[in-house]
Amino acid sequence: EAGVAQSPRYKIIEKRQSVAFWCNPISGHATLYWYQQILGQGPKLLIQFQNNGVVDDSQLPKDRFSAERLKGVDSTLKIQPAKLEDSAVYLCASSSQTGTTYEQYFGPGTRLTVT
Amino acid sequence: DQQVKQNSPSLSVQEGRISILNCDYTNSMFDYFLWYKKYPAEGPTFLISISSIKDKNEDGRFTVFLNKSAKHLSLHIVPSQPGDSAVYFCAASAILTGANSKLTFGKGITLSVRP
Repeated sequence: EAGVAQSPRYKIIEKRQSVAFWCNPISGHATLYWYQQILGQGPKLLIQFQNNGVVDDSQLPKDRFSAERLKGVDSTLKIQPAKLEDSAVYLCASSSQTGTTYEQYFGPGTRLTVT
Repeated sequence: DQQVKQNSPSLSVQEGRISILNCDYTNSMFDYFLWYKKYPAEGPTFLISISSIKDKNEDGRFTVFLNKSAKHLSLHIVPSQPGDSAVYFCAASAILTGANSKLTFGKGITLSVRP
């Protein structure tokens, strides 16, 4: 079974530029999550999708961040314009929400550096 | 407001000995707890979980204990191996009540197992 795929793995941009990240979840997983992990911290949820609908985006800075999940499969997360404090690893995760275990499977992440 | 706390940033143990990683939580709505392991430049990998209806779950060398009254859980690794050296994240969810499946993470503990 293929895992969660993310691209790019690394991105360096200047502040005020825009950037987009892509995620392909595990096949059949209905729920997709985007997390932000700042150095020295645990991952923090930005947005959660169930199929192609948003379940929770309460911690997404909506003035600069946007995300979509077309057709309930792949997802993109965009930052426009970027700020220095957006430097972090952006993790995508997916889960099936079935059965008796509820673990989320994470991709390798995209490390963003804003200069 | 840190709802999941891992107060010790690091732990060093001798190979073959027991590693005990602690985690505390403050939100009484949490009913499902997970431990993730993370190597550098990789996404977190699910290790073991426990629901609030249990007080212990075991999987090979890994055992998680839950003390609901103290809002405390711990991960025991016996025996510890050098390959266990990684960052360990404690995470919590309110999924069993149907509230939300999102995970709230602690800051992580860096475990070093000395040969």
